[in-house]
Amino acid sequence: EADIYQTPRYLVIGTGKKITLECSQTMGHDKMYWYQQDPGMELHLIHYSYGVNSTEKGDLSSESTVSRIRTEHFPLTLESARPSHTSQYLCASSPPGPSGVPPRTQYFGPGTRLLVL
Amino acid sequence: RKEVEQDPGPFNVPEGATVAFNCTYSNSASQSFFWYRQDCRKEPKLLMSVYSSGNEDGRFTAQLNRASQYISLLIRDSKLSDSATYLCVATRTVTGNQFYFGTGTSLTVIP
Repeated sequence: EADIYQTPRYLVIGTGKKITLECSQTMGHDKMYWYQQDPGMELHLIHYSYGVNSTEKGDLSSESTVSRIRTEHFPLTLESARPSHTSQYLCASSPPGPSGVPPRTQYFGPGTRLLVL
Repeated sequence: RKEVEQDPGPFNVPEGATVAFNCTYSNSASQSFFWYRQDCRKEPKLLMSVYSSGNEDGRFTAQLNRASQYISLLIRDSKLSDSATYLCVATRTVTGNQFYFGTGTSLTVIP
């Protein structure tokens, strides 16, 4: 089993609130990712990081921001939540490997289900 | 065009049936391929890697055809517990994102 954790698992919050979704892994993985997934729909990459102080936006435009101050921690923040942000947010990580070779796999956390009223 | 394309299904098959899923990838520079399984309201989990020579893990067989840029997953003797969404994944070495997920194929095994 992968050691990647997300909190909270479920969050119901009002419009306009600032929220931070936590993601941490204890495997020493350098690469971490945030995906957004609506029920029955595909995964959309919204942010990724290949190491400390490295963050990039993913394929899907998102109003969220991320930070990577420590290897094990990759929080995602929404400054002002809106109903359109209602979704499941999945964090993932992958281990370091040889240069020029993509990672072997990703390990996913259990996800945070966000409902913005 | 999407990097990885899959037939979304749904596939509804009786217990004991053999079912095959197909996936195509658009970028010939893709290097590694995987099948992930995602249960309803759960996170994706790695099912198996896909090797050029084809590989088998119990009832599951994965095949890769680089010339056609095509990946397949065969499930024999389907069990009720196989009901899930199966995600095809391609990876390649680029400066940006390296993982490309398909939209997934939904499988329901019926008693």
